Amino acid sequence: EIVLTQSPGTLSLSPGERATLSCRASQSLSSSYLAWYQQKVGQAPSLLIYGASSRATGIPDRFSGSGSGTDFALTINRLESEDFAVYYCQQYGSSPYTFGQGTKLEIK
Amino acid sequence: QVQLQQSGPGLVKPSQTLSLTCAISGDSVSSNSATWNWIRQSPSRGLEWLGRTYYRSKWYNDFAVSVKGRMTINPDTSKNQFSLQLNSVTPEDTAVYYCARRGATGCYDYWGQGTLVTVSS
Repeated sequence: EIVLTQSPGTLSLSPGERATLSCRASQSLSSSYLAWYQQKVGQAPSLLIYGASSRATGIPDRFSGSGSGTDFALTINRLESEDFAVYYCQQYGSSPYTFGQGTKLEIK
Repeated sequence: QVQLQQSGPGLVKPSQTLSLTCAISGDSVSSNSATWNWIRQSPSRGLEWLGRTYYRSKWYNDFAVSVKGRMTINPDTSKNQFSLQLNSVTPEDTAVYYCARRGATGCYDYWGQGTLVTVSS
């Protein structure tokens, strides 16, 4: 199965700053089948990005995804208070569809 | 708007069967384009896909290797829901269990609210 490694484990930033989260796959992902999810405490994950760079419905353009092959990134511009959460990448090109271990974005 | 509502007990004894149900509104369990999934989350295993059911002229089920042989998923078209049964549970099965739809994007676009299931005597 494809292993996804996210870095850093924790990212401490202030509101208004830019966050860049990384996700590396153990094998090249076909057709950039890479998604990003946001999870807040006590809630289910929520889809942000699919196809490596397409925003899900209702997601503000402060969120952007990039990358291909084995290296992907989620960038969040102008951090707002509600953005501080845990973020997961997930590949859906090869069954079983696997998740990364998460990056916690915390307020500095 | 699709909504998934989970129900089921939060405490199961070791060796017994974990049973959860996910009721669907705003879509159909018999959809020809969606799949209906169970995913769990624990500190030790992270987010782990467990299995899915879907209809493409007939019903199909797939399961993760980690639960194959212990897990069943049953769609119920009369109630528009699907259920999970996990047999012979151990404390390692303690987790938050989610149902989720895999939609046209290929991703899990709608999730249930989650159920914390603790396996303990």
